[in-house]
Amino acid sequence: EPEVTQTPSHQVTQMGQEVILRCVPISNHLYFYWYRQILGQKVEFLVSFYNNEISEKSEIFDDQFSVERPDGSNFTLKIRSTKLEDSAMYFCASSEIGGYRTGELFFGEGSRLTVL
Amino acid sequence: QKEVEQDPGPLSVPEGAIVSLNCTYSNSAFQYFMWYRQYSRKGPELLMYTYSSGNKEDGRFTAQVDKSSKYISLFIRDSQPSDSATYLCAMSAGNFNKFYFGSGTKLNVKP
Repeated sequence: EPEVTQTPSHQVTQMGQEVILRCVPISNHLYFYWYRQILGQKVEFLVSFYNNEISEKSEIFDDQFSVERPDGSNFTLKIRSTKLEDSAMYFCASSEIGGYRTGELFFGEGSRLTVL
Repeated sequence: QKEVEQDPGPLSVPEGAIVSLNCTYSNSAFQYFMWYRQYSRKGPELLMYTYSSGNKEDGRFTAQVDKSSKYISLFIRDSQPSDSATYLCAMSAGNFNKFYFGSGTKLNVKP
């Protein structure tokens, strides 16, 4: 079964530092997403990305956040200047459109970000 | 009104019980419905996927979608302690820009 992979699994950073979280979506998928989950809370949508541009973003996804697909396989989330409240598990997800499994959303194992 | 509502539980049942988990939603445009299982500090694992209305069965799991009532259900038969996890419902309209999640129901199956 193809899977979404994420690195790092855990990152500890100082407040104000830049962080880049990396994801390799499933190869034939066209939609990519970042969600986050603060410990014990619900899964929150951050951003979706299609055809090399952001298709939708939430109010959480402010100017401190950016996404990029630098090559044909990686999908990254950058937080420019981390805040304490950015501490969370960040999940990358991808979805196939137009194929047999259209509409199914697959998640990676997550990157835990701890901001000190 | 929230897009997706889900009872957070916790729901505690004895091993072997039939479990019923539910979500309601407000957006009639939703067509794609999913159930995920999430163990503590792990990523959501896709369990069941249903397009539009109807039932779908996979082993001990049955997913039901009633679009007229805007109500979806996941049934777990012969529940096992290993089923103890948080169960999330998720859904999407046809544009796939965003998947909407319920808050998750925490299930505990006691041996």
